[in-house]
Amino acid sequence: GNSVTQMEGPVTLSEEAFLTINCTYTATGYPSLFWYVQYPGEGLQLLLKATKADDKGSNKGFEATYRKETTSFHLEKGSVQVSDSAVYFCALKTGGFKTIFGAGTRLFVKA
Amino acid sequence: SAVISQKPSRDICQRGTSLTIQCQVDSQVTMMFWYRQQPGQSLTLIATANQGSEATYESGFVIDKFPISRPNLTFSTLTVSNMSPEDSSIYLCSVEGGANTGELFFGEGSRLTVL
Repeated sequence: GNSVTQMEGPVTLSEEAFLTINCTYTATGYPSLFWYVQYPGEGLQLLLKATKADDKGSNKGFEATYRKETTSFHLEKGSVQVSDSAVYFCALKTGGFKTIFGAGTRLFVKA
Repeated sequence: SAVISQKPSRDICQRGTSLTIQCQVDSQVTMMFWYRQQPGQSLTLIATANQGSEATYESGFVIDKFPISRPNLTFSTLTVSNMSPEDSSIYLCSVEGGANTGELFFGEGSRLTVL
């Protein structure tokens, strides 16, 4: 079946450090891939997405590239801020209605 | 985009009781999704609610435990019945963005604690 695997957290970084959160997936067909973010006390919101191989999604300085050959969609940011502290979820959606989420990775950014 | 309001935002419940969570969307949508997020874990889809038909439940979830109503295109309720401490979770209502974007919009969630 379809599944998403994320690196375990928490991840703790200092401000301005480089961030990578790994995400790999298993899916039949050609899924769309997403990163959602959940800030403290808030609901999930879409951070970025990619719908086909080699697409790069980007938003708020975050980027992720859809790599079909490695079935990966790693999240990166060149310089994190304290305000980026949140839980990040990788997710996939195939042609059906169901979105499948990874376990989530909590990020702490220290000033 | 869609704005989703959920009530209650949090509640503390006694074992054996039931609680109904309401979800209101600011636009008409075909499908509404109910997710559970157990402490420190990811989101698990409970069911998909379509207006005018029975909800479709995922494996491991049954209608007797999680009855869902969908009376119109902007509103849905999820009831957690005969609660036990294992039902302590955040329950999230979600809808999909338009034009087959695949993007989901979420309410802020309802945090239930069962004693």
